Amino acid sequence: GDSVTQMEGPVTLSEEAFLTINCTYTATGYPSLFWYVQYPGEGLQLLLKATKADDKGSNKGFEATYRKETTSFHLEKGSVQVSDSAVYFCALSSSSNTGKLIFGQGTTLQVKP
Amino acid sequence: EAEVAQSPRYKITEKSQAVAFWCDPISGHATLYWYRQILGQGPELLVQFQDESVVDDSQLPKDRFSAERLKGVDSTLKIQPAELGDSAMYLCASSPPGGGTGGLYEQFFGPGTRLTVL
Repeated sequence: GDSVTQMEGPVTLSEEAFLTINCTYTATGYPSLFWYVQYPGEGLQLLLKATKADDKGSNKGFEATYRKETTSFHLEKGSVQVSDSAVYFCALSSSSNTGKLIFGQGTTLQVKP
Repeated sequence: EAEVAQSPRYKITEKSQAVAFWCDPISGHATLYWYRQILGQGPELLVQFQDESVVDDSQLPKDRFSAERLKGVDSTLKIQPAELGDSAMYLCASSPPGGGTGGLYEQFFGPGTRLTVL
């Protein structure tokens, strides 16, 4: 079945460092891919999305490119801020096309001043 | 900006008691999802509604969990009896008709209900 695998955390960076959070997926067909962010005690917020191969999603300085050949959707940001500290979830829309999302286990990012 | 509303935000109960969670999706969103998020893991779908009909409840423990969306608007998720292993965050999400822009099925999440079973 469909699945998403993320790099384990926590990831600890200094402010202004470069961020990469790896995400790979297994799916039949061509799912849409998403990154969600969850701040402490809150629900999930959509960060960015991509619908087809080579699409690049971007928002708030974060980017991710849909790589079909490597089945990956790695999240990157050139310069992180303390306010980026949160849990990041990679997700795909399931092949059933019902809209169900399959999430990775989440990666905690801690940014220190 | 329209948001998904959930209540209560926090619930503490003893095992074997009954609990209920409420969700009000964004107006006009036909699809409603309930997810369970265990601490340190990603959310997992419990049940999905299209209007008032259940689309997917394959992961819902039906011996103790029930969900309804009687008028196709707001929804209630119930657990009876609660067990220690039910402690988790319960998230509600909704998406526009037809999956929204480009059929992306972008989902909008509420703040969640944090359940603690003692």
